[in-house]
Amino acid sequence: ILNVEQSPQSLHVQEGDSTNFTCSFPSSNFYALHWYRWETAKSPEALFVMTLNGDEKKKGRISATLNTKEGYSYLYIKGSQPEDSATYLCAFISGGSQGNLIFGKGTKLSVKP
Amino acid sequence: NAGVTQTPKFQVLKTGQSMTLQCAQDMNHEYMSWYRQDPGMGLRLIHYSVGAGITDQGEVPNGYNVSRSTTEDFPLRLLSAAPSQTSVYFCASRDRLEGKLFFGSGTQLSVL
Repeated sequence: ILNVEQSPQSLHVQEGDSTNFTCSFPSSNFYALHWYRWETAKSPEALFVMTLNGDEKKKGRISATLNTKEGYSYLYIKGSQPEDSATYLCAFISGGSQGNLIFGKGTKLSVKP
Repeated sequence: NAGVTQTPKFQVLKTGQSMTLQCAQDMNHEYMSWYRQDPGMGLRLIHYSVGAGITDQGEVPNGYNVSRSTTEDFPLRLLSAAPSQTSVYFCASRDRLEGKLFFGSGTQLSVL
């Protein structure tokens, strides 16, 4: 069974703090790594899809990096705002484009004003 | 642009009752899937489909049936509901280009 681990489980920061969290996944047979943002009472929405070792993606104050050889990805939020409060999910696909996404349990971020 | 439409939003069932969760997408995505979300667990795949007429089991398929007669629709059936099926259910379709999932709004199901 393939496992995707996310840490920390939850995080409380002050507005303006920068923060980061980790997603670990099996390094063998890698195809893609996804990050999703899930706000309370809403549905998960895709942030990034990453496929190449060394990939870096950025959307506003949020960025992500990917290391497929050692099996981890980092998500960074610069200058956290209360509206960044959400659960951040990563999901891993192995084997090819038809593979299914295997999700981690998520990191719940709370940003205090 | 509707995206993925999932109904109902909430449902309460008694043990042994049956019901169907509806899911429709208007993005012409071939891949569709059903997940369940339970406290302390990641999203777990129930069933998925890579195109009309093709379905397959995910990680937790027991107690659920699916069918895919059209590209747009992918209903999930609970034939005889059990309390263990109390969960939040999400339907999702996947775009072929980037592979990212588009989720429905979720169904909160309670089985008493």
